[in-house]
Amino acid sequence: NAGVTQTPKFQVLKTGQSMTLQCAQDMNHNSMYWYRQDPGMGLRLIYYSASEGTTDKGEVPNGYNVSRLNKREFSLRLESAAPSQTSVYFCASSERVLAKNIQYFGAGTRLSVL
Amino acid sequence: AQTVTQSQPEMSVQEAETVTLSCTYDTSESNYYLFWYKQPPSRQMILVIRQEAYKQQNATENRFSVNFQKAAKSFSLKISDSQLGDTAMYFCAFIRSYDKVIFGPGTSLSVIP
Repeated sequence: NAGVTQTPKFQVLKTGQSMTLQCAQDMNHNSMYWYRQDPGMGLRLIYYSASEGTTDKGEVPNGYNVSRLNKREFSLRLESAAPSQTSVYFCASSERVLAKNIQYFGAGTRLSVL
Repeated sequence: AQTVTQSQPEMSVQEAETVTLSCTYDTSESNYYLFWYKQPPSRQMILVIRQEAYKQQNATENRFSVNFQKAAKSFSLKISDSQLGDTAMYFCAFIRSYDKVIFGPGTSLSVIP
C-alpha cells in the first residue's frame, strides 16, 4: 500500500529553471494538497485541490502552478525557480476537505535553487 | 485569521519519562478540529492524535494523550513512557469546518537514553 508518492526526492535547480514535482495517491482520496516546509515556519499551504477538476490557492501560491491531472495525481510546477523557493515540499491527500480532514503525507521533496 | 502557536522550539526528555508539548491557537469559531502530527528524521509526516472541538473528553492514543482546554484555546500533547523512537518534530495543526489545515511552527523533541 504505497499511500502518497512524491517524485523526485531531491532536486537541485539553477535560478530561472523550471520543473514539476509529481504526486500520486492510491487511497481514492478526493482532496490533495501541496505544502512547503521551511525552518521555524512549519508547513505552509501552497495550493490545494478539493476535488478532481478544481484547484485553489493556499497561503503562499506565488511562483507556483498546479494541475490536478486526475483523481490520483496532483502536480506542482515552478516556472522560473528562485532561491526563495529552496525548501522541502510535501504533498498530502485526504478523503475530503471537511471537518474530519486527516491528511496523509508523502515523503517530501528537498529542493535547492542555486 | 486562525493562528497556531507552539512556544517550545526544542525540548528533551529522558527515556521512559513523561513530556508535555504545548500548543495554543486563535480562532473565533466554535466547531473545529485539532491534530498533532509527528515528523521523524525520515521527514514522513505521521498523524499522532486528533481532537474534535465539540468533544469535552480528551483524546487518547496509547502513550499519547491531549489536554484540550477549549476556553483557553490550548491543546497540549502528553507523551508517557517516552521512547527513543519518539524523537521527532511535532506539529500542532488546526482545521475548522470546510477549511484548510493550519500548522504550528513545530517543536523538536529529543528523547535521551
